[in-house]
Amino acid sequence: GAVVSQHPSRVICKSGTSVKIECRSLDFQATTMFWYRQFPKQSLMLMATSNEGSKATYEQGVEKDKFLINHASLTLSTLTVTSAHPEDSSFYICSARDPRQGKETQYFGPGTRLLVL
Amino acid sequence: LAKTTQPISMDSYEGQEVNITCSHNNIATNDYITWYQQFPSQGPRFIIQGYKTKVTNEVASLFIPADRKSSTLSLPRVSLSDTAVYYCLVGPYNFNKFYFGSGTKLNVKP
Repeated sequence: GAVVSQHPSRVICKSGTSVKIECRSLDFQATTMFWYRQFPKQSLMLMATSNEGSKATYEQGVEKDKFLINHASLTLSTLTVTSAHPEDSSFYICSARDPRQGKETQYFGPGTRLLVL
Repeated sequence: LAKTTQPISMDSYEGQEVNITCSHNNIATNDYITWYQQFPSQGPRFIIQGYKTKVTNEVASLFIPADRKSSTLSLPRVSLSDTAVYYCLVGPYNFNKFYFGSGTKLNVKP
C-alpha cells in the first residue's frame, strides 16, 4: 500500500527553540495532508490541514503562529513548532490520502516524538 | 462528522474471536465506517472500511446492521500482536479530516 514517512522519528530540543518535522508521501502525490498531535494515553487530535500551494487550515484552538505548516510540493509537508515549550512535547503524526486508491482512505506516517526540555 | 462511541477497553485471550462494537447513532446517508489500529508510538493503520452489511478482508470483518447506527469489527483468532487501540471513524466517502474518538484498547492475554 501507499507509504507516508516522517522525519525525524524523535527529537529532543531545548525550550525556546524551533523544531521542523517533515511528512512525505513516498509513492503518491498528495494535495492535502493532515497533522495530528497525540498526548500519552490519549486519542489523536487533528491540528491542521496542509494544502499544497496555499495556506494551511487550522482547527479551533490550534495556534497557527506556533505551528507553522508549509506544503511546498505534492509529496512534502512540514510542521514547524516554533519557540517550543515543554507542554508542546507530544507525538506528532501526519496523514495523506492516496488519490489512486479510491475509497481506501488515508495513510498515516509513523509519527515523530517531540520532547522539549 | 458523526460522533462515535466505543468501549474504552476490552480483554481477550489468544485464539479467541474479538468483536468490538462502535455506536454512531447520527450517521448520515453518505457516511462510511472505517476502522484503524494503532500500536504504541506508531501511526494508525487502516484495517477495514464499509458502508452496509458485511465486509471482509484478510485481517478482519466488519458487520453493519441495516439501520447503520452501529458497527462491529470482528478480529478472528487474535494473537498477542493484536494488542492495540482500535478506532472507529465515520464520515463521507471522500472525507479527509479524521476526528478520532477515544478508541478501544484491546489487551490480548496469553
